[in-house]
Amino acid sequence: QKEVEQDPGPLSVPEGAIVSLNCTYSNSAFQYFMWYRQYSRKGPELLMYTYSSGNKEDGRFTAQVDKSSKYISLFIRDSQPSDSATYLCAMTTTSGTYKYIFGTGTRLKVLA
Amino acid sequence: KAGVTQTPRYLIKTRGQQVTLSCSPISGHRSVSWYQQTPGQGLQFLFEYFSETQRNKGNFPGRFSGRQFSNSRSEMNVSTLELGDSALYLCASRPTSLSTDTQYFGPGTRLTVL
Repeated sequence: QKEVEQDPGPLSVPEGAIVSLNCTYSNSAFQYFMWYRQYSRKGPELLMYTYSSGNKEDGRFTAQVDKSSKYISLFIRDSQPSDSATYLCAMTTTSGTYKYIFGTGTRLKVLA
Repeated sequence: KAGVTQTPRYLIKTRGQQVTLSCSPISGHRSVSWYQQTPGQGLQFLFEYFSETQRNKGNFPGRFSGRQFSNSRSEMNVSTLELGDSALYLCASRPTSLSTDTQYFGPGTRLTVL
């Protein structure tokens, strides 16, 4: 079993829809959770990060962590064609120099 | 500040050859990590260097090696290339090797092995 599982998609939604992207993980030591966005032919760029459990909002994006279920989500409100990209979750511990573990990424396409 | 740069951007090699990829981190960043990205496996961690020392290593064969120079620039070498080594190789830099320091990625080097 992989440490982090993410549905690869692709996920196609109409413009303006609310998008929900999810990852599950197995390592209970993970406390630092990130979402990266990767456009075609580019490197991943950090969208949001959260510590431990709870919600964090940044504009149209909301990151949610449920540590009891080992489940994290990224919600995109009022999705735009420019949001079409691959979204990768990543996680690590908060102590020491542990490496990042990435999900395989979910490909999202927002249709105009 | 300039971002992470990687050279070359594209590379075509044949089986059995060896290849060296280069990464220049963001100015002031002392940690450089390397990842292999393929459609089936996603982003897989190769290794991380901090102040010229390897700090972490992923589960890749010894054909994959790296080094870091005193100016924090890093190189990755793959010897005896196999078809399965075809992938996007990404480099990421951050100020230190602490887990919670954000990693900033370069655009990647697309390696094709024929």
